[in-house]
Amino acid sequence: QVQLVESGGGLVKPGGSLRLSCAASGFTFSDYYMTWIRQAPGKRLEWISYLSGSSTSTNYADSVKGRFTISRDNAKNSLYLQLNSLRVEDTAVYYCARMAESGWFDPWGQGTLVTVPS
Amino acid sequence: EIVLTQSPGTLSLSPGERATLSCRASQSVSGNYLAWYQQKPDQAPRLLIYGASSRATGIPDRFSGSGSGTDFTLTISRLEPEDFAVYYCQQSGTSPFTFGPGTKVDIK
Repeated sequence: QVQLVESGGGLVKPGGSLRLSCAASGFTFSDYYMTWIRQAPGKRLEWISYLSGSSTSTNYADSVKGRFTISRDNAKNSLYLQLNSLRVEDTAVYYCARMAESGWFDPWGQGTLVTVPS
Repeated sequence: EIVLTQSPGTLSLSPGERATLSCRASQSVSGNYLAWYQQKPDQAPRLLIYGASSRATGIPDRFSGSGSGTDFTLTISRLEPEDFAVYYCQQSGTSPFTFGPGTKVDIK
C-alpha cells in the first residue's frame, strides 16, 4: 500500500538548519508531484512547497521562499526539505504528501515535529 | 491569496444526525479545485473529497461534497462514531494553495 514516512525533525535554535526526509513506498514515486505541508500548534494547515516528478516544476509559499528548498531523489524514492534560517514561527509538524496535478494531497505521512524555541 | 472561511467553527451533533459544513472562498476557486480533509487527534489529515464533489478512494458514501465558485459544502448524511473529527477545506485553483481554519464536529 502507499506509504509515506517522514524523519529528520527535532529541536533547533533560531537561525539554524534542518533537513527533513520523506521515504515513499507502494507507488511509482517518479510519476508524482510531491509536497510539504505544515501545521503549527493550534493553527490551520499551511502548504509550503511542491515539486514535480522530474523536478522541473516547483513552487513555494512566500513564508518560506528563499529559506526552504525542496528536492527529491527518485532512485531512492525520497523527498527532502532543507530548512535554513529557521524562525520561532517555523515550529510545526511537517507533513509530506503525494500531490495530484490538480493540487489535492493524498495520502499524507504521519508528520515530523520541528521545534524552534524562542 | 485566496482566503478560505469555514463555518461553523464547532458543530455539536449526535451519532446518526446529519452534518452540514460550509467553506467559503474570498474569490472564485478556479476549476472548482476544492478538497475536504478529515483529521483526528494525533493523526495526519485524510483526503475525503476532491474537485468539490468527487469522493476519494475508500471514502464511504455518507460523505458528499457540493458547490462551486466561492461556496462549498461537505455533508455527512448520518454521523458514525468515527466521524467525530476536524474537517478542513483546501483550494488548489490558485497558488498559494490554502486551507480553511477547520470545523470541529464533536459529540453532543
